[in-house]
Formats: sequence, structure tokens, C-alpha cells
Amino acid sequence: GAVVSQHPSRVICKSGTSVKIECRSLDFQATTMFWYRQFPKQSLMLMATSNEGSKATYEQGVEKDKFLINHASLTLSTLTVTSAHPEDSSFYICSASDSAGPLVGYTFGSGTRLTVV
Amino acid sequence: QKEVEQDPGPLSVPEGAIVSLNCTYSNSAFQYFMWYRQYSRKGPELLMYTYSSGNKEDGRFTAQVDKSSKYISLFIRDSQPSDSATYLCATSSNSGYALNFGKGTSLLVTP
Repeated sequence: GAVVSQHPSRVICKSGTSVKIECRSLDFQATTMFWYRQFPKQSLMLMATSNEGSKATYEQGVEKDKFLINHASLTLSTLTVTSAHPEDSSFYICSASDSAGPLVGYTFGSGTRLTVV
Repeated sequence: QKEVEQDPGPLSVPEGAIVSLNCTYSNSAFQYFMWYRQYSRKGPELLMYTYSSGNKEDGRFTAQVDKSSKYISLFIRDSQPSDSATYLCATSSNSGYALNFGKGTSLLVTP
């Protein structure tokens, strides 16, 4: 089946530094990738939707200059948390969709646990 | 009001029990309904999805959608300890659109 690889699985960084998270579709072309954030015991909250070759669409309340998303190829999307602060500590998850049909491409990565100290 | 409401639990049942997990939603435009299973510190794994109203069965799992009452259910028969996880319902108004998730229900199946 479709596989989405997300890296790193966990990262600890100092406040003020930037962190890049990669999301790769391994065996299909991901025309659309979604980035979610999940706080403990909370639901997945959509941060942004990215389509290959175009600018990401951010959800209300998500700072696009802080959460930089690049979807330069059909198999790779990156999320960069710039100038991270402790309140950015969370579980970040990507999912990828192809155009093959309804929901068949809704595969999630394994998530990245970000801790900002 | 969140678009998808789900009781976070926790729900604890003995092995072999029938588990009933439920969500309600508010947007009548939702057409796709999904259930995901998420183990601790892992990404969600799609269990089942249905389009519009009706039932869908897959092994021990049955998904039900009642669009008239905006109610989504997942039933797990003969529950196993390995079913212990968080179960998230999700909805979408169209294929390829982002998903609206419930908060997730934490399930513990005890041996």
C-alpha cells in the first residue's frame, strides 16, 4: 500500500532555532500534502494544504512566515518551523493524497514530535 | 461548535466485548466519513471509510453513517488487547479535501 515517510520522528531544539521536517511519499505521487499539528489528548488540527509547485494554503491562525512549507516535487514536502519557541512543541503529522480516487491516498506519516527547550 | 464532536473517553472494556465508538458532526456537506486508529506517538492509520449513509463491514469492524442524524459509529466485535489505541473519526466534504477530525476516543481492552 501507499507509504508516507516522515523524518525525523522526534527532535529537540533550542528556542530560537529552526527545524525542518520532511514528508515523502515512497511509492506514489502526492499531488497534495496536508500538515497537521496535534497537542496531547487533542485532535489533529490542519495547519496547511500544499499542492506540488504552488504556494501552500494556510488555515486561519497559522502563521505562514513561521511555518514554511515547500512542496517542490511530487514526492517531497517539507515543513520548517522557524524561530521555534516552547509553545511550538507539538506532534506534527503529514498526510499525502494522490489523484487516484477518493481517499485512497489519505496516508499519514508516522509523525514528528518536536520539543523546543 | 467544532465540526466533529467525539467523546475522548477513556473507554475500558474486557477482551471479547463489543465496542461502540461514536461521533457527531454539524456540516451537512460532509460526504466522506472515516475512522482512523492511532497508537501512541504514531501517525493515524486508516481503518475504514464510507461514502454517504449506510454500513460497511470489514472483519471485526463495522462503520455506520446516519446522515439524517449526523451520527457516525464504529463497532468492534470480539475486541482484543491489540485494539487498544485512540480511534479518531474524520469527515470530508469532497475527495481530496483536508479532513476534519474528532478529538479521538482512547480505548483500552483489558485481557
